[in-house]
Amino acid sequence: NAGVTQTPKFRILKIGQSMTLQCTQDMNHNYMYWYRQDPGMGLKLIYYSVGAGITDKGEVPNGYNVSRSTTEDFPLRLELAAPSQTSVYFCASSYEGADYGYTFGSGTRLTVV
Amino acid sequence: AQSVAQPEDQVNVAEGNPLTVKCTYSVSGNPYLFWYVQYPNRGLQFLLKYITGDNLVKGSYGFEAEFNKSQTSFHLKKPSALVSDSALYFCAAMDTGRRALTFGSGTRLQVQP
Repeated sequence: NAGVTQTPKFRILKIGQSMTLQCTQDMNHNYMYWYRQDPGMGLKLIYYSVGAGITDKGEVPNGYNVSRSTTEDFPLRLELAAPSQTSVYFCASSYEGADYGYTFGSGTRLTVV
Repeated sequence: AQSVAQPEDQVNVAEGNPLTVKCTYSVSGNPYLFWYVQYPNRGLQFLLKYITGDNLVKGSYGFEAEFNKSQTSFHLKKPSALVSDSALYFCAAMDTGRRALTFGSGTRLQVQP
């Protein structure tokens, strides 16, 4: 049982480049989330999904896009990377929402230079 | 908008002594509260949650948390700290609209031998 798998673990992007952060879970969880973690700032919600085909914005969605074509996968797309997007990105999933607790991936450390 | 505050960036305690990591919250409606722990270069791991019921909640690794409605607090406690408890601790509250978690800024716990 792999849980939540994120790839890549590390990435350096140049300003203006684009990339997709991959997230997949094998627990048949309906809810999936993307957070970014900045030092001293806790985690901020970027986007979330309550099921395949349904996504919605969180607190800090600007500069990002998501899709949810299957229950298992929830990729995060960065278009036109900016230094402000340097952060650690975490994907999480939950069975029926946060009150059941999240399962987190191990994170992607992204640096934009 | 709901919020979670962790007033201490770092807590230092000697091994064997009791520890407390503070958390206060501001939510509308009944609070659903959580504690997570993050070890270096890892995702967050669920420790415990308060949904309803007893004000003292017991969780993983000997941790417990005390819910105090009048003080809007949800402090994490452990009777006897271990060096291996050293990590970053996050308090969180559920946004019942999004069914997503709002996190505090985190408290680094350092347990000295």
